[in-house]
Amino acid sequence: SQTIHQWPATLVQPVGSPLSLECTVEGTSNPNLYWYRQAAGRGLQLLFYSVGIGQISSEVPQNLSASRPQDRQFILSSKKLLLSDSGFYLCAWSVWTSGDTDTQYFGPGTRLTVL
Amino acid sequence: AQSVAQPEDQVNVAEGNPLTVKCTYSVSGNPYLFWYVQYPNRGLQFLLKYITGDNLVKGSYGFEAEFNKSQTSFHLKKPSALVSDSALYFCAVRDINTGRRALTFGSGTRLQVQP
Repeated sequence: SQTIHQWPATLVQPVGSPLSLECTVEGTSNPNLYWYRQAAGRGLQLLFYSVGIGQISSEVPQNLSASRPQDRQFILSSKKLLLSDSGFYLCAWSVWTSGDTDTQYFGPGTRLTVL
Repeated sequence: AQSVAQPEDQVNVAEGNPLTVKCTYSVSGNPYLFWYVQYPNRGLQFLLKYITGDNLVKGSYGFEAEFNKSQTSFHLKKPSALVSDSALYFCAVRDINTGRRALTFGSGTRLQVQP
C-alpha cells in the first residue's frame, strides 16, 4: 500500500532563515505531487504541483520554491522566511490511471511557525 | 475558473441525528467532486468522490454525498451522527475538461456533534 511521509512534523524558525520541508511517497511510481498551505486551520491554498522529476508548476508567486530531485521526493524551500509563511503545510500525491479521478491523498503535514 | 463554496462555517448536530454539510461548485465543464475530513493537526483524509453515474455516492465511515447537477451541489450526509465525526470537512472540485490536475478546495465546515 502507499504511504506518504512529511518531515519535520513541527518547525519554529526565525524570520529571514531558510526553509526546507520534505515529502516522500512509498509504494507507487511516478506520482503527481502537490504542496498546499493551510492558514488558520481553514482553506487550502495550492502552492506547487509536479507531474514528474524536475517538472514543477507554481500556482502562487511568492518567496517559496519547490523541487523534485527524485521520483517520489518533493521538497519545499525558501531562502528567507517571512512571518506570513507561517501555516500548516500539506503534501499530497495522486496517480493518474485511465478512468480514475486522480484522487489526492495527503500526508500528515508540517506545522511551521515563523517568529 | 473552478470554485467551491461551503456556506456554513460550522454545523452543530446532536449525536444520533442525521447531518448534512453543504457544498456548491462552479466549473466550466464537467466536475469531479471530493469530500475530505481533517482532524486537529492532521492531514486530510479522503472520504468519497463523484466521477459519473449514480448521483448518490457512498464513502468511508458511513458518509454519503448526493450530486445534483441542476443545483451544482454535492452535499455530504450521514444518517446518524457520532461524536467522533466532529472534525473539519472540505469539499473539492476538479474540472475534468481543463486538464488541470489540481483540486480547488472550499473553505471548510466545522462539524460539531454533541453527545
